[in-house]
This record gives sequence, structure tokens and C-alpha cells, in this order.
Amino acid sequence: QQQVKQSPQSLIVQKGGISIINCAYENTAFDYFPWYQQFPGKGPALLIAIRPDVSEKKEGRFTISFNKSAKQFSLHIMDSQPGDSATYFCAASNSGSARQLTFGSGTQLTVLP
Amino acid sequence: KAGVTQTPRYLIKTRGQQVTLSCSPISGHRSVSWYQQTPGQGLQFLFEYFSETQRNKGNFPGRFSGRQFSNSRSEMNVSTLELGDSALYLCASSPLQGSYGYTFGSGTRLTVV
Repeated sequence: QQQVKQSPQSLIVQKGGISIINCAYENTAFDYFPWYQQFPGKGPALLIAIRPDVSEKKEGRFTISFNKSAKQFSLHIMDSQPGDSATYFCAASNSGSARQLTFGSGTQLTVLP
Repeated sequence: KAGVTQTPRYLIKTRGQQVTLSCSPISGHRSVSWYQQTPGQGLQFLFEYFSETQRNKGNFPGRFSGRQFSNSRSEMNVSTLELGDSALYLCASSPLQGSYGYTFGSGTRLTVV
């Protein structure tokens, strides 16, 4: 019940295209859903996050769509750039003081020039 | 503002040995969490420390332990190393226990031979 399922495993997009990564969860106690971007040799960096009382959040070219009833959320990267090529992880955090991040398996995004 | 600093960056150890990894959180951050990243299991939560006390623990054997000092710096220790402990160990700090904003370090790459 703690699992977060992420798809696709890898994604190739042309420059200027839209990249879409999907995640699904089971645990209804999750109340915070961040997306992380990781470049080789670096730790994950927080990209954007959403709480379940909001259906969509946009920051620049990055948008999270959240469907609470379906227990699904997705990351959309508009106007994808070669510099966006990285591994993207969705995650979910339980409520309460004893928080921990449960991560999806990651999506390797390649944006072709 | 300096980020999360992890030392050493790379480490090679022999099976059966023990290892200690260090993490200095962002100044003012009092919560430190540790995660293990492997190609097979992805990113998995190890434990969280706040005010020198372990507040939350993931599903890892007792060979994995940690501590936090009064200046919020943290160490994690792995005893009786196994080949499967080879991984990138990531430290993340946040301002308070249970807060949302995690910042990750670049990790320590541990190789067990």
C-alpha cells in the first residue's frame, strides 16, 4: 500500500514537445506529492509539488495534474528542452510528523535537439 | 547559502567491513533524512533524525544505523557490509521534523567489493 507506480520507464521527446510522466498511488494517507529531477552525479532536486486539495499546479513550463479520486498524478513538461534531459521521480509523503518520501521508480527523459 | 554536504563522495569497502558516512545539513535545518538509491530498488527511505533523536525508520536491517549531533550534522553507519549495500546514499535536510521541504545532497557512492 506504500507503493508509488511510475510510468513510463523511459521517454524520448523532440525539442519543443510535451513530456508527460504518470504516477499512481494506493495509500490515501499520502498528502504531499512532489516531483524530483535528478542529473547524473547529483542528488534529486525538488521541481514542483502539490497537495491533494488542488487539481493542478503550474510553475513555468512544469505542471502537475492531480486526480484524487483516481489516485493518480502526472507531470507535464511543456516546450521540452535538451537541458531537461534527466531522470524524473514522483514521490508521495504520508501525513503526520513521521514523514518519509515514497518514490516512484523513475523516468529517464531524453529531449532530442 | 550552502547546500547539503555529504562526505566522502566516493568510497570503496570490502565485504564484512563497516563504513560511516557524514552529512552536514543546510544551516538552520534541523531534520536530516537518509535514503538509499540503487538501480534495482530505486530510492528507499532509511531513517530520519530530528533533535538528535531517530523519529522514523524504514525497512532496513539493524546493520544500518545513524545518529545526529547537537549541531544537526548526521552520520550513518553500515556494519558488516554486504555486496548488496553498494548504492548511492543520499542525505536530505529540512527545516523541521515533518516539514515538506526536503533538499538533497549529492550523495556518497559506496561500492562494496
